[in-house]
Amino acid sequence: QSALTQPASVSGSPGQSITISCTGTSSDVGTYNLVSWYQHHPGKAPKLMIYEGAKRPSGVSSRFSGSKSDTTASLTVSGLQAEDEADYYCCSYARSSTWVFGGGTKLTVL
Amino acid sequence: QVQLVESGGGVVQPGRSLRLSCAASGFTFSSYALHWVRQAPGKGLEWVAVISYDGNNKNYADSVKGRFTISRDNSKKTLYLQMNSLRAEDTAVYYCARGMSSDVVATIDRYWGQGTLVTVSS
Repeated sequence: QSALTQPASVSGSPGQSITISCTGTSSDVGTYNLVSWYQHHPGKAPKLMIYEGAKRPSGVSSRFSGSKSDTTASLTVSGLQAEDEADYYCCSYARSSTWVFGGGTKLTVL
Repeated sequence: QVQLVESGGGVVQPGRSLRLSCAASGFTFSSYALHWVRQAPGKGLEWVAVISYDGNNKNYADSVKGRFTISRDNSKKTLYLQMNSLRAEDTAVYYCARGMSSDVVATIDRYWGQGTLVTVSS
């Protein structure tokens, strides 16, 4: 159960787009279409932003989108806003009915 | 509205035990899988365990397997995490979260508690 690999940090200016990658293996991201993304502001509960790779829960801005290619999933945030500054985590279902998170990416809006 | 409220955290010595609870309301508790997720100080989120809607299927992260036990009481709408043989590296904020469906193959949904802090220290 090794953690999925995410960049430690990404940054962008208001209005720009950024993409956060999440690299796994054939035991998780590469086999199952069960990748989700969470936004986490310190001291608050994490918020689900994307599930099953590309689906957006109701109430989540369309500026957030997800995709997957082979063993790498991606979260794209377009039209960056100051409120998007947070930590972002990917999560995938893995073999043996377990789940694994990525190490997290700190998004800074410049 | 959906609410999940954790309790039972605190300071405990290494090797001792602690039981966390998560009281749920606002949804049909017995229809959903539930997860425990933790975050150590300064670290990222770590999945801990999942239990199916009826309690018959459970799975654990390797880091806690054999030491932690997840359980639920559907009549009390409460999720539990029994933590034995605690180690310093178990120090974290522990969150309970609802799954999107009934089985252990249930993505962690948008509904999370606020977390309870467990500190393992002598």
